[in-house]
Amino acid sequence: EIVLTQSPATLSVSPGERATLSCRASQSVSTNLAWYQQKFGQAPRLLIYDASTRATGIPARFSGSGSGTEFTLTISSLQSEDFAVYYCHQYNYWVYTFGQGTKLEIK
Amino acid sequence: EVHLVESGGGLVQPGGSLRLSCSASTFTFRNYAMYWVRQAPGKGLEFVSAITNIGDNIYYADSVKGRFIISRDNSKSTLYLQLGGLRAEDTAVYFCAKQMNRGYFPTDYWGQGTLVTVSS
Repeated sequence: EIVLTQSPATLSVSPGERATLSCRASQSVSTNLAWYQQKFGQAPRLLIYDASTRATGIPARFSGSGSGTEFTLTISSLQSEDFAVYYCHQYNYWVYTFGQGTKLEIK
Repeated sequence: EVHLVESGGGLVQPGGSLRLSCSASTFTFRNYAMYWVRQAPGKGLEFVSAITNIGDNIYYADSVKGRFIISRDNSKSTLYLQLGGLRAEDTAVYFCAKQMNRGYFPTDYWGQGTLVTVSS
């Protein structure tokens, strides 16, 4: 099973600033990596897939990069609605795995 | 907009059984692989099971293998998850989700989930 490790566990950032979230895979997943945003009591929302492709309707302030085992989600100029939990997710194999999540909170 | 609605959750005793359903609409259900993912209270997301579009291949997490059974009825646009031998650690919100496309793709739409509580 591929293990995804996200860092940091919690990130405190002020509105308008940039946030950088990391995800490391225990083995290569090529670019078969996605990022989801989840707010309390809601289902996850797909933000990025194929490591760097924004999903439909996702604002340009969200960007993804990386390949192999190291990936980054960057949110430029944080808006109030961006404070949530973010999960990375590999789909290189049918048995999906998810990172443990990074909580993005208001500083 | 894709619509997925889970049902069938509830309170069940350890060792008990439950069947979850996921009703799909506004897309051609038979064309897409489907997934179950769960989330224990206050915890992260955990893959449970997946089934290909015509049900010819099925996958399970090791934690549920031999206890849970995934199935689908394409004529009813419905996905199922039969839960058996339930344990306290199976307590979670269970989400169904649609794969974006065939091949190496993530899930793109999720239902709102149904809560399963395993307790005596």
